[in-house]
Amino acid sequence: QSALTQPASVSGSPGQSITISCTGTSSDVGGYNYVSWYQQHPGKAPKLMIYEVSNRPSGVPDRFSGSKSGNTASLTISGLQAEDEADYYCSSYTSSSTYVVFGGGTKLTVL
Amino acid sequence: QLQLQESGPGLVKPSETLSLTCTVSGGSISSSSYYWGWIRQPPGKGLEWIGSIYYSGSTYYNPSLKSRVTISVDTSKNQFSLKLSSVTAADTAVYYCAREMSIAARSIWFDPWGQGTLVTVSS
Repeated sequence: QSALTQPASVSGSPGQSITISCTGTSSDVGGYNYVSWYQQHPGKAPKLMIYEVSNRPSGVPDRFSGSKSGNTASLTISGLQAEDEADYYCSSYTSSSTYVVFGGGTKLTVL
Repeated sequence: QLQLQESGPGLVKPSETLSLTCTVSGGSISSSSYYWGWIRQPPGKGLEWIGSIYYSGSTYYNPSLKSRVTISVDTSKNQFSLKLSSVTAADTAVYYCAREMSIAARSIWFDPWGQGTLVTVSS
């Protein structure tokens, strides 16, 4: 059981928007702005898409955005494209001895 | 462009020690503000942070693995290494190394990641 809770799957049609949630506690997501999101295509390494809740690394399309409310962080992808189909993982610093926690991952299907 | 590459045996026998090395190219492992981490992913499952090391040798470990994990750094070779002892089939996973941004002992993000290496624990 992962420390952060994500939906197992989400889907959307090309051009639509989807949101993936990531729920933690006040010791991690809710207590710090150190939430990051990773995209992982099959057989590939994870790629950083969002850091510190809402910041995009250079080269990540602005279709990807992040936000947080209370103990839940969210990743929104607007204008869905076929290449967005992948697994998405959230991660957060935690004040517990675990230091870093990941979500269980969400499989995004572009219909 | 910073790149990381994992290397090591792809097959380890139960009860033995898993050993992997991550070679960093395109940048110095001695850069301030950055830790260097190991993360693993069992087949078909999610990501699990194993531990991280600073170039000075300071380390953080996942408490669930701490008794079996040792991470070390060799700045002269621009490499850091992972040793996981007393392995079982549950340790079968793709092992990734990654650069970690850390501020005030708080993990911020991991980027970039190595391509990953599958380690199978089997007799």
